[in-house]
Amino acid sequence: DGGITQSPKYLFRKEGQNVTLSCEQNLNHDAMYWYRQDPGQGLRLIYYSQIVNDFQKGDIAEGYSVSREKKESFPLTVTSAQKNPTAFYLCASSIAARGGKNEQFFGPGTRLTVL
Amino acid sequence: GQNIDQPTEMTATEGAIVQINCTYQTSGFNGLFWYQQHAGEAPTFLSYNVLDGLEEKGRFSSFLSRSKGYSYLLLKELQMKDSASYLCAVNSNSGNTPLVFGKGTRLSVIA
Repeated sequence: DGGITQSPKYLFRKEGQNVTLSCEQNLNHDAMYWYRQDPGQGLRLIYYSQIVNDFQKGDIAEGYSVSREKKESFPLTVTSAQKNPTAFYLCASSIAARGGKNEQFFGPGTRLTVL
Repeated sequence: GQNIDQPTEMTATEGAIVQINCTYQTSGFNGLFWYQQHAGEAPTFLSYNVLDGLEEKGRFSSFLSRSKGYSYLLLKELQMKDSASYLCAVNSNSGNTPLVFGKGTRLSVIA
């Protein structure tokens, strides 16, 4: 079945440690996105990538890093520079012809808790 | 800037009809999405509007007025399982660009 997977579903990290969240898709989508969701804040964009080996910062990129070495994969690293990393992290992907519908498909999410 | 407004919370009775409004001010417009999100889960696609008017899909309908920067999601014959957050999102550019999301409306369906 085609879809987006994120692992792990729950992740605990000690303060000061870097941690990498996995996101894989087999939908053959060109674009991939990382969002952070906090209670009452909606979805906020961290990074996105429209093509392999290229990515752009979103609204809250500070303290995060990404890579896009393969079309299927878009891992997110939460670094120790991120001051408040406890949140629900959602990965998404999309494919859209120019001017067409840009529906985003979401993975199940990773809940990160910093201890 | 980009701004999308929707009510924070709503409560409705099982079997009733509820309308969730969304107003937007974005740099461009290339379609509006509604997603449903149950607590702790991923958002799932409900509807898409790019032209003015009503799109109906079973118990769910969505309306768009581009001149007013306004959309609503209409849920009929409410069921307890409809208790969830409903996210309004605008595609402000063409192609594979990020959607701009509202903060979501948390709907509680009560007996």
